[in-house]
Amino acid sequence: DAEITQSPRHKITETGRQVTLACHQTWNHNNMFWYRQDLGHGLRLIHYSYGVQDTNKGEVSDGYSVSRSNTEDLPLTLESAASSQTSVYFCASSRRNSYNEQFFGPGTRLTVL
Amino acid sequence: GQQVMQIPQYQHVQEGEDFTTYCNSSTTLSNIQWYKQRPGGHPVFLIQLVKSGEVKKQKRLTFQFGEAKKNSSLHITATQTTDVGTYFCAGYNTDKLIFGTGTRLQVFP
Repeated sequence: DAEITQSPRHKITETGRQVTLACHQTWNHNNMFWYRQDLGHGLRLIHYSYGVQDTNKGEVSDGYSVSRSNTEDLPLTLESAASSQTSVYFCASSRRNSYNEQFFGPGTRLTVL
Repeated sequence: GQQVMQIPQYQHVQEGEDFTTYCNSSTTLSNIQWYKQRPGGHPVFLIQLVKSGEVKKQKRLTFQFGEAKKNSSLHITATQTTDVGTYFCAGYNTDKLIFGTGTRLQVFP
């Protein structure tokens, strides 16, 4: 069955370190998204991609970067982790038409000490 | 920027009682989607509404899209413990899906 996976599921890191969160989907979806979820803020869009080599900034992109070298993967990199980036991160994907439903991965809980 | 607010933030109900969450956008939405997130889980798509004034039902869940396409509601009749979770609305403005702040529902048996 097609799916979307994230790794690691839990990560503890130190302030200043570079961290990369992986997202892999086998739906063959063109669109992929990264969100962070914090209490009181719902889901906030970090970066998104509508296809290979396409990346766009979302609402809270500062301190994060993404790259899309193939259809299946959209890794999220925290260049220099900060305590304010402690959060739960969700990756999602959807079919080409941007109005389609989004399928979410299981999430990565990141703690920055 | 565009904001999508939901009320209430939390709701505790006795099993069998009804529940409603309201979603309000600062701008007109192209469509609205609803997602459910169980505790410790990830958001799962429930439904999409596109037309002004549209009403859709899924068993005990009733979804409405406002006439002005700036608000929406989700009503659950006779809640069950399986309804526990956080319900998010999400609206498209141009090409981006903006999520509401969510309503966390707790159901006591």
